[in-house]
Amino acid sequence: DAKTTQPNSMESNEEEPVHLPCNHSTISGTDYIHWYRQLPSQGPEYVIHGLTSNVNNRMASLAIAEDRKSSTLILHRATLRDAAVYYCILRAMNTGTASKLTFGTGTRLQVTL
Amino acid sequence: ETGVTQSPTHLIKTRGQQVTLRCSSQSGHNTVSWYQQALGQGPQFIFQYYREEENGRGNFPPRFSGLQFPNYSSELNVNALELDDSALYLCASSQDYGYTFGSGTRLTVV
Repeated sequence: DAKTTQPNSMESNEEEPVHLPCNHSTISGTDYIHWYRQLPSQGPEYVIHGLTSNVNNRMASLAIAEDRKSSTLILHRATLRDAAVYYCILRAMNTGTASKLTFGTGTRLQVTL
Repeated sequence: ETGVTQSPTHLIKTRGQQVTLRCSSQSGHNTVSWYQQALGQGPQFIFQYYREEENGRGNFPPRFSGLQFPNYSSELNVNALELDDSALYLCASSQDYGYTFGSGTRLTVV
């Protein structure tokens, strides 16, 4: 499995934007970039995913480098409820076969008032 | 959508015993996966079922086994429990690109 590298922790002030980086220099052409987050005492929650182009949804934006060797998850206005561990995951999209999620240790985001 | 429901939420077992954990998948999802999460670590893939057949397995011994039923609910069975099996066990179901996780079962082996 291709690996990802993330900072162990980051801090942000509430209502400020947060940029969470992820390096994936060994990404293959068929790997999608997925982001999940895990709030305390909960299972991981899907945030966003993309292949080559930048993506936006109601939760966040995903900016993907042109060479696809890195990406950045952007929370436009962090709130206290965004405090969680954020995981950047590469996933081959094989419908009907095993396309498991390989989690690293993620980035623990702290949000302060 | 009802989400993914796991039971029980907490469980204490003795070393050497057997345990069965249960998962009700999100409606319409035909793929279910199980993950083990040790304290302070990311979840580790145990195995995945697609339409009642196992179609992927992580680096876990055969004493970890599972079932998926026609209604897409699932079970994780662990035999001969060891102290290192103490962890949060997560079930996740999927229909397309994203997985929906349950809140997990916290298993403590003493």
